[in-house]
Amino acid sequence: GAVVSQHPSRVICKSGTSVKIECRSLDFQATTMFWYRQFPKKSLMLMATSNEGSKATYEQGVEKDKFLINHASLTLSTLTVTSAHPEDSSFYICSADSPGAGYTFGSGTRLTVV
Amino acid sequence: GQQVMQIPQYQHVQEGEDFTTYCNSSTTLSNIQWYKQRPGGHPVFLIQLVKSGEVKKQKRLTFQFGEAKKNSSLHITATQTTDVGTYFCAGRSSASKIIFGSGTRLSIRP
Repeated sequence: GAVVSQHPSRVICKSGTSVKIECRSLDFQATTMFWYRQFPKKSLMLMATSNEGSKATYEQGVEKDKFLINHASLTLSTLTVTSAHPEDSSFYICSADSPGAGYTFGSGTRLTVV
Repeated sequence: GQQVMQIPQYQHVQEGEDFTTYCNSSTTLSNIQWYKQRPGGHPVFLIQLVKSGEVKKQKRLTFQFGEAKKNSSLHITATQTTDVGTYFCAGRSSASKIIFGSGTRLSIRP
């Protein structure tokens, strides 16, 4: 079946630094990938839609300059949390629309900013 | 904007009892998907419903899509401890954007 690999699974960083999260579709090509944020015991909040070869589409209220998205190839999208602050601590998860299998999610990245 | 409401927020049942979660959209959906997220895990795709009034079954799970394509339900018969987790519906609008419901967290007493 379709697999989406996400790294790292956990990261702890200092306030003010930047963190890059990678999302790869392993056995299919994804022209579109999605980035979500999930707070504890809450639903998934769509942050942005990553489009291969073009600019990402951000949801209302999501800061483009803070959450940089790059989708340079058909199998890789990256999310960079810039100048991270403790309030950015969260579970970030990517997904891709895989053929016939709904959305396939990565395993998620738990970011802790100290 | 489009909203997808899901109830109940929590459900605690005795093992062997049935469980149902309901999903309602403010707009007509082109399709609806259901996902299960185990504690500490990521959402896993269960099924997609496309047709008005569609009913699909996966073993003890029964999924329904309403006639108006604005609501859906997931019913689990005779729950087992392996059913523990949060069940999300996700509705796709005509604009192709998928909106996740708030989820129903199922816990089970052995």
